Amino acid sequence: DAGITQSPRHKVTETGTPVTLRCHQTENHRYMYWYRQDPGHGLRLIHYSYGVKDTDKGEVSDGYSVSRSKTEDFLLTLESATSSQTSVYFCATKQGAAGYTFGSGTRLTVV
Amino acid sequence: QQQVKQSPQSLIVQKGGIPIINCAYENTAFDYFPWYQQFPGKGPALLIAIRPDVSEKKEGRFTISFNKSAKQFSLHIMDSQPGDSATYFCAASEGSGGSNYKLTFGKGTLLTVNP
Repeated sequence: DAGITQSPRHKVTETGTPVTLRCHQTENHRYMYWYRQDPGHGLRLIHYSYGVKDTDKGEVSDGYSVSRSKTEDFLLTLESATSSQTSVYFCATKQGAAGYTFGSGTRLTVV
Repeated sequence: QQQVKQSPQSLIVQKGGIPIINCAYENTAFDYFPWYQQFPGKGPALLIAIRPDVSEKKEGRFTISFNKSAKQFSLHIMDSQPGDSATYFCAASEGSGGSNYKLTFGKGTLLTVNP
């Protein structure tokens, strides 16, 4: 999707290892969000940011942390990956009255 | 607690049919109701959105109907095409920004339009 890049696109990691997913935007949007998508659960909010160094928890934040040191980058870290964190992770941005713009997602498998 | 309930989970229609997807919400502070369309391997994309000051909004073949008293809203796709086959999500937020525009999503509906 234009303006939002998620990396990596795919990752397989072992249980107990730390993992960092990156969301990079070129739109200078203030708000950024991390969602996970799982069958039967739709999209659930993990963490979000309302400005540089301003972040807060979503509904499924346990086991995740985030950082936003500059406007364009929003990092999601799994401190110690578990199999329950196998999912597709989406980053989204929002500016003003516009709706969300989503990235293309990162498919994470924890084995 | 599921704040946005979406039904059905899946839907199959013939080309030209009018699929209808329904959502119900609980939080009366919600005042922005978008629908997103997602194709396999892609991120969701905004399709159409409505605010509660109107009861209906049309954009091309897509229409949102909104019933504030019932706390329900629905998506209708007129003259559906095989290319409309995708997963559709309804969502809701406190659009004025008081909640930092956080969206709460329904669980999604997988729509298949047969040729």
